Amino acid sequence: IAGITQAPTSQILAAGRRMTLRCTQDMRHNAMYWYRQDLGLGLRLIHYSNTAGTTGKGEVPDGYSVSRANTDDFPLTLASAVPSQTSVYFCASSSHRGTGELFFGEGSRLTVL
Amino acid sequence: AQTVTQSQPEMSVQEAETVTLSCTYDTSESNYYLFWYKQPPSRQMILVIRQEAYKQQNATENRFSVNFQKAAKSFSLKISDSQLGDTAMYFCAFMFPLGGSNYKLTFGKGTLLTVNP
Repeated sequence: IAGITQAPTSQILAAGRRMTLRCTQDMRHNAMYWYRQDLGLGLRLIHYSNTAGTTGKGEVPDGYSVSRANTDDFPLTLASAVPSQTSVYFCASSSHRGTGELFFGEGSRLTVL
Repeated sequence: AQTVTQSQPEMSVQEAETVTLSCTYDTSESNYYLFWYKQPPSRQMILVIRQEAYKQQNATENRFSVNFQKAAKSFSLKISDSQLGDTAMYFCAFMFPLGGSNYKLTFGKGTLLTVNP
């Protein structure tokens, strides 16, 4: 089934550790995004990529990095995790020739202790 | 900067009744898109309905419809004949093109809707 796959679905991590959240899409969408969802704050954009080889910063980029080596993959890395990065992370993609709709992965719940 | 405001953190409705969720936004753009997404307890984000700003006609998808008031920058969602499966967090979202292939999407903080039997 076409769509977006995120891994892991859930992870508990010690503070200071490095962590990469994986995201893969098979819809050949140009744009990909990483959001974090926190209670009472909605979804906030961390980083985005409008096409392979380019990335940009969203609202809350500090402590996170991304890469876009190809169309399908858009990993999110926490270089040194902190408790405030405990959140649910969503990867999403969209086609610029389409309706503007975002297609979401199922989310990754990350707990930093 | 674009902002999206959902003024109702929580709402409840009886099954089979109608409920309206509010959303306002602030922008100086003239060309943009508006969306309502639903997030049930499964955590999956599901598109409910979308509206292009240049279209005056309100979008409708089965039991879901919007009241788009461009001058007032308002985009409310009406759910008719509410069903238990409509229980979810609802997010209003605003998207506009930055130019070329660049877009910016901003979400509201969400409204938790509970449908009671």
